[in-house]
Amino acid sequence: GAGVSQSPSNKVTEKGKDVELRCDPISGHTALYWYRQSLGQGLEFLIYFQGNSAPDKSGLPSDRFSAERTGGSVSTLTIQRTQQEDSAVYLCASSLSPPLNTIYFGEGSWLTVV
Amino acid sequence: AQSVTQPDIHITVSEGASLELRCNYSYGATPYLFWYVQSPGQGLQLLLKYFSGDTLVQGIKGFEAEFKRSQSSFNLRKPSVHWSDAAEYFCAVAAFGNEKLTFGTGTRLTIIP
Repeated sequence: GAGVSQSPSNKVTEKGKDVELRCDPISGHTALYWYRQSLGQGLEFLIYFQGNSAPDKSGLPSDRFSAERTGGSVSTLTIQRTQQEDSAVYLCASSLSPPLNTIYFGEGSWLTVV
Repeated sequence: AQSVTQPDIHITVSEGASLELRCNYSYGATPYLFWYVQSPGQGLQLLLKYFSGDTLVQGIKGFEAEFKRSQSSFNLRKPSVHWSDAAEYFCAVAAFGNEKLTFGTGTRLTIIP
């Protein structure tokens, strides 16, 4: 596709369930990022991939959060045992070679934990 | 570690009036600076970026920003706003060799007729 694609666009889950959020970056982009946007915390960096490796995982808030990237393309962000404070918009972004190249963001996955 | 402050949470401007959104950063070396816009239900779109060179940067949609090292600022300006500019605006900073963006808390822009 032309842009960064994320799915699902909306997800409502019960507290304690696991969720998976998917990101399809722009074709050919080697760098991939996950950010979280919430009312109380603004935009927070979660993790950065260069190819399939993650040189910077410093933003993952707890060990309930994990992410992987396969084939240098699709990435999955997994949240285990979801809590209400995990409710947020999860944004994926990609770029050619950071930071000198433009980082393109997807429209996000809205996660609501009830 | 770098940080960004956007002092104005919400700004209201009349259509056709000029606009300036403030951004102050904290970083020890020369930063990479960005302005992004987010319209309701949309992802973030890059308006402009500064890496080096000319401190006045032109972006899309008629926006410009000026890097002032002495003031640690990177304010966004537009000479005449349009109703379609109503959105949330985020300033961000990145450090050389560190690929993550640190965002400010955003400024919500409302345009009135």
